[in-house]
Amino acid sequence: IAGITQAPTSQILAAGRRMTLRCTQDMRHNAMYWYRQDLGLGLRLIHYSNTAGTTGKGEVPDGYSVSRANTDDFPLTLASAVPSQTSVYFCASSEQGSGANVLTFGAGSRLTVL
Amino acid sequence: KNQVEQSPQSLIILEGKNCTLQCNYTVSPFSNLRWYKQDTGRGPVSLTIMTFSENTKSNGRYTATLDADTKQSSLHITASQLSDSASYICVVTSYGGSQGNLIFGKGTKLSVKP
Repeated sequence: IAGITQAPTSQILAAGRRMTLRCTQDMRHNAMYWYRQDLGLGLRLIHYSNTAGTTGKGEVPDGYSVSRANTDDFPLTLASAVPSQTSVYFCASSEQGSGANVLTFGAGSRLTVL
Repeated sequence: KNQVEQSPQSLIILEGKNCTLQCNYTVSPFSNLRWYKQDTGRGPVSLTIMTFSENTKSNGRYTATLDADTKQSSLHITASQLSDSASYICVVTSYGGSQGNLIFGKGTKLSVKP
C-alpha cells in the first residue's frame, strides 16, 4: 500500500539520549515534513524538505535536525532528548513543496522522554 | 498574526444527527483552506480543499463551505455515523507560500454516540 511508514510507533527514552525517528515514503513525493502534535496546541512544523538535498526550518526546529539524502527517506534526529520533546511526531509528504498540494501523513510516532 | 480558530473545541452528538464545525481564519494573503479528519492514533487524512473562488465542496456526507469575505469556513456532517468520531482540523495556506506557510487550527474533537 502506497504511503508513509514511520518507525518506531512508540518509544520511551531517557533524557539526554540521542534518538532518530524514521520516515519513508513510496509515492515519489518531492516534499516531506515533520510535525509534532501536542494536546491543545495542534500540529506544529519542525522541519521540511522541498526536494532531496535541501531542508528548511519550521516553526519549532530547536533541538531537532533532519537530512534528505534521497527522495524517499526523511529521518528526524533528537541529538539530546529533553522532556519537553515528549510528543506525537508525524511525518508527511506532498507532491511539491507549494502550499497547493495535499499532505499525506504517516501514522505517527509517540515519543516519551523521561 | 496569521491564525486559525476552530469551534467548538469538542462536540458530542447522537448517531444519525447532523452537525456543523466552524473555522475562522485571519490568514492573509489566502491561498486555500483544507479540512482534515484525524482518527485517534492515526495521522490526519484530507477531506476537502477549497481555493478562493470555491464556496462549497462535498465529499460524501461531508460538505465544506467557504466565505472568503468573512474568512469563515464550516464543515457539515450529514447523518453522522460512529466512524465519524475523530478530530477535524482546519488548515489554511497563505498565497504563494511554501508548506512553511500552512497554518493549522487546533481541531474539533467530535464524538458520535449510539
